Amino acid sequence: AAGVIQSPRHLIKEKRETATLKCYPIPRHDTVYWYQQGPGQDPQFLISFYEKMQSDKGSIPDRFSAQQFSDYHSELNMSSLELGDSALYFCASSLGRWKPQHFGDGTRLSIL
Amino acid sequence: GIQVEQSPPDLILQEGANSTLRCNFSDSVNNLQWFHQNPWGQLINLFYIPSGTKQNGRLSATTVATERYSLLYISSSQTTDSGVYFCAVDMRFGAGTRLTVKP
Repeated sequence: AAGVIQSPRHLIKEKRETATLKCYPIPRHDTVYWYQQGPGQDPQFLISFYEKMQSDKGSIPDRFSAQQFSDYHSELNMSSLELGDSALYFCASSLGRWKPQHFGDGTRLSIL
Repeated sequence: GIQVEQSPPDLILQEGANSTLRCNFSDSVNNLQWFHQNPWGQLINLFYIPSGTKQNGRLSATTVATERYSLLYISSSQTTDSGVYFCAVDMRFGAGTRLTVKP
């Protein structure tokens, strides 16, 4: 069965640079979520979209923005990167807002 | 926002032993899931269980929404069960239970 696809799998950036993470949800899933997991921590919810509209907002920094496109894929844009942004970024998708979330394998972002 | 607490934080078992992991939450729940994060960082969906009881092989889970807790049972544990088990309520994750199964 098709799963959530995230790209790239690994990304290395320097401080103050920008990064864009992409997420392709499971076909027909209409809801996308973004999470950030720091080393040794639990995943923290950043933001979610339902039918291309922002539905919930968590602890997403102002330096970050995200959107969901007409084909339901989503992108997380990160600017003015800081050392503390080094983390594993997960995207999840679901068919409906409170339905089971299926996670991608994550993008590991390292800031040098 | 909703608070999610998991216990115990760490658990060490011998292969073949059984265990129970607990998740307490502070408010009514729309969505409750149990995940296993393997050593490669992948989050594996174990159960979607906002209420009731489910079983899948050696694993089972029960959520009593009125009392605001969920339990994950692992029977006849194997070394491959090692990793971190997370309870997620709506979009809030607990701190996880780190399970180590020794041969």
